[in-house]
Amino acid sequence: ELKVEQNPLFLSMQEGKNYTIYCNYSTTSDRLYWYRQDPGKSLESLFVLLSNGAVKQEGRLMASLDTKARLSTLHITAAVHDLSATYFCAARPHNNAGNMLTFGGGTRLMVKP
Amino acid sequence: DGGITQSPKYLFRKEGQNVTLSCEQNLNHDAMYWYRQDPGQGLRLIYYSQIVNDFQKGDIAEGYSVSREKKESFPLTVTSAQKNPTAFYLCASSGVGGSEQFFGPGTRLTVL
Repeated sequence: ELKVEQNPLFLSMQEGKNYTIYCNYSTTSDRLYWYRQDPGKSLESLFVLLSNGAVKQEGRLMASLDTKARLSTLHITAAVHDLSATYFCAARPHNNAGNMLTFGGGTRLMVKP
Repeated sequence: DGGITQSPKYLFRKEGQNVTLSCEQNLNHDAMYWYRQDPGQGLRLIYYSQIVNDFQKGDIAEGYSVSREKKESFPLTVTSAQKNPTAFYLCASSGVGGSEQFFGPGTRLTVL
């Protein structure tokens, strides 16, 4: 059974600082997703990572995937208040025809001025 | 505009009632999913459907039922057997070959 763990669960940071959110998964996965959720809202897709060593960047966010370590990271560069949200990673088990995803518990990010 | 719609946005249920949450998509996606999210938690899979007239239980299917009579629609019924149904319910869909899941706006269910 695939398990996904994120840390930290809560992150308070100052504007302009850098930080990394970690996502570990327990068994082989062939697809890793990052989503953003604003309070009371739905999930917005940020990144899809498909292979070992994949790196994707959008603005101040950069996601990477290390399938050997079963680890994905979401790096925040020079944080701004607008990035305050909860971030989820989700992994798909290898060869999962149903495309079922297992979600991590989320990292609630607060960026303070 | 293509997308996923869920209704209602807010739903209140009395003890012992069954309620049905609607999910419709016009993305021509084959697969649809229902998730439950409790406050401060991640998402847990309730049911999913890969094709019309077929669906599978997820991790927490007890107390829930679904149907998939049309490709566009995947309604979720929360039955009286679900003892703690207060949560945020999210519907998602994805295309052929296990592509990315797209989410609807959600329905917040509260038991009175």
